[in-house]
Amino acid sequence: SAVISQKPSRDICQRGTSLTIQCQVDSQVTMMFWYRQQPGQSLTLIATANQGSEATYESGFVIDKFPISRPNLTFSTLTVSNMSPEDSSIYLCSILTDQRAFFGQGTRLTVV
Amino acid sequence: GESVGLHLPTLSVQEGDNSIINCAYSNSASDYFIWYKQESGKGPQFIIDIRSNMDKRQGQRVTVLLNKTVKHLSLQIAATQPGDSAVYFCAERGGSNYKLTFGKGTLLTVNP
Repeated sequence: SAVISQKPSRDICQRGTSLTIQCQVDSQVTMMFWYRQQPGQSLTLIATANQGSEATYESGFVIDKFPISRPNLTFSTLTVSNMSPEDSSIYLCSILTDQRAFFGQGTRLTVV
Repeated sequence: GESVGLHLPTLSVQEGDNSIINCAYSNSASDYFIWYKQESGKGPQFIIDIRSNMDKRQGQRVTVLLNKTVKHLSLQIAATQPGDSAVYFCAERGGSNYKLTFGKGTLLTVNP
C-alpha cells in the first residue's frame, strides 16, 4: 500500500494562531481526505480534498476554519485557523486505494 | 443521521484467548465494512474488510462476520497477543458513497 507521511507529527500552538498540516503520499491517488479525532473519540470526516478544485466539506466544517489545498495527486495541506483549545485533536490524512481507506500517522495538535 | 456504534467500549482478555469485538450499524444501504486497529500515537491501520454480499471473511488470525439481518458486524481475533492491545474501530460505507462512517471504538487490553 502507499506510504502516507504527515507533518508535523505533533505541535503545541497558541490560541488565535494557525497551523498548516502537510500530507505527502508516495504515489498518485485520486481521493484524499482529512479527518479529525478528538481526544478519546472516533474519527470524523472534515472534508474531501479535491485536486484542482475546492475541497468538499462535511456538515459542521467550513473552509474559513479549515482551508485545504490539493495542488497535485500526491500532496495536500490542511490549515487549522484561528485556533482555540477546542481544536485540540488528532488530524489525520487518508487516501482511498482500491476502495480501501488508509491513514497517515496523524498530527497531534494541542492548543493552549 | 445514520450511525455506526459499538456494544462494548472496553474489552480485557487474557493472552492466548480469543477476542470478539462487536459493532452495530444502522444504515441499511451500507454495503462495505472495514475494521481498523489504532495503537496509541498512531493512525488507524487497516485490518480486514467485507462486502455485503458476504457474511464471513478470514484473514491472518482475524475473522469478520457480517449479519445483515440485524445489522451487526464483529471482529474475531484468535489467540490474542499483547501486541493486539489497541482501539478497534468499525467503519461502514454505503453504495456509491466513498465516505466512511466510523463507530465509537473498543479498547482491547490483552493481559499477559
